Amino acid sequence: EAQVTQNPRYLITVTGKKLTVTCSQNMNHEYMSWYRQDPGLGLRQIYYSMNVEVTDKGDVPEGYKVSRKEKRNFPLILESPSPNQTSLYFCASRRQGANNEQFFGPGTRLTVL
Amino acid sequence: AQSVAQPEDQVNVAEGNPLTVKCTYSVSGNPYLFWYVQYPNRGLQFLLKYITGDNLVKGSYGFEAEFNKSQTSFHLKKPSALVSDSALYFCAVRPSNDYKLSFGAGTTVTVRA
Repeated sequence: EAQVTQNPRYLITVTGKKLTVTCSQNMNHEYMSWYRQDPGLGLRQIYYSMNVEVTDKGDVPEGYKVSRKEKRNFPLILESPSPNQTSLYFCASRRQGANNEQFFGPGTRLTVL
Repeated sequence: AQSVAQPEDQVNVAEGNPLTVKCTYSVSGNPYLFWYVQYPNRGLQFLLKYITGDNLVKGSYGFEAEFNKSQTSFHLKKPSALVSDSALYFCAVRPSNDYKLSFGAGTTVTVRA
């Protein structure tokens, strides 16, 4: 089954404790992206990757890091989480080409205390 | 910079009645327009897209959307709503010459039996 998977689905952590949210897709998509969803703000892009070893900032990259060492994986790293990073996070992927729709993972609900 | 507006936070309709979810956009150049739906505790699912051609686009689950260039709108419609259509709906736009996808804030649809 074609899918985007994320782990963990739920995470409660404390300020300053480094964490990684994994994202993997099995569709051989070139483009991958991370979003955060906050009430009333829709989805805002954090980082994106056009292909392996090619990443760039989205609209709200502060406090986040990413890497793309393999085509299928695109982990999101929070080096020192803060309470304002409490949010619902989605990973997405699509084939190269601006007219292609994105496939989304199930989401990771992160709470930073 | 592109933007998307979904003027209604909530839309309430009775089952069997027509459903409309409004979306207007602002973008430089030609737009690629998308609708996604998010059911509770799930990731976003692609519904339909407008790339070029016929202004009326048909998508999944009986939904359709009409692209209106002069009004810069892309309203989502369903002739007869079902209770199972209750969800959060997002409109998104991407310029045809760019990679960046921008989302609206979302509209919560509630269909009452």
